[in-house]
Amino acid sequence: GAVVSQHPSWVICKSGTSVKIECRSLDFQATTMFWYRQFPKQSLMLMATSNEGSKATYEQGVEKDKFLINHASLTLSTLTVTSAHPEDSSFYICSARIQGAISTEAFFGQGTRLTVV
Amino acid sequence: GESVGLHLPTLSVQEGDNSIINCAYSNSASDYFIWYKQESGKGPQFIIDIRSNMDKRQGQRVTVLLNKTVKHLSLQIAATQPGDSAVYFCAETGARGSYIPTFGRGTSLIVHP
Repeated sequence: GAVVSQHPSWVICKSGTSVKIECRSLDFQATTMFWYRQFPKQSLMLMATSNEGSKATYEQGVEKDKFLINHASLTLSTLTVTSAHPEDSSFYICSARIQGAISTEAFFGQGTRLTVV
Repeated sequence: GESVGLHLPTLSVQEGDNSIINCAYSNSASDYFIWYKQESGKGPQFIIDIRSNMDKRQGQRVTVLLNKTVKHLSLQIAATQPGDSAVYFCAETGARGSYIPTFGRGTSLIVHP
């Protein structure tokens, strides 16, 4: 199956700093990628849809100025958590679908554990 | 309305037993459903999917049942193994027209040897 890779797998940062998380589709092109956040023992909550070459679409309640998304190419989307605070500590997961594919299957990255201290 | 994340229920089974994990989805307009397995510290892994024009689909050791009348999905795992221990999520898509998976609350499956 298609592979989606996230980097880093985990990161610890100080409160007030910014952190960038990368999501790459390794063997396919993805016009659209999705970013989810998952708190411990909870489900995945969609944060935003990342569109190649255009602005991301954010879900209600997600601050677009805090969670900056850039989808500069068909294989890379980045999520930057700006001025991170301890409440932003979470597991961030991206997913992608194959461009132009009939299948609606979404492929998920391995996730990034963010801890803000 | 949209599914909301809640704390995870737990299902404990003995190795070799069959497991049944249930899920209630929220949007009657959803037409494509997926079951994912998530191991600790990892992203979701696709298990099996089903479209709304079907009520049953079988894979290797897994079966998904769909009851559209009551908006209910189930995942049956035959001869459960310790490696099946994980959190299982159902996801619904299609209602928004762009097939973005919306996840249910998940069930933690614990398999005892």
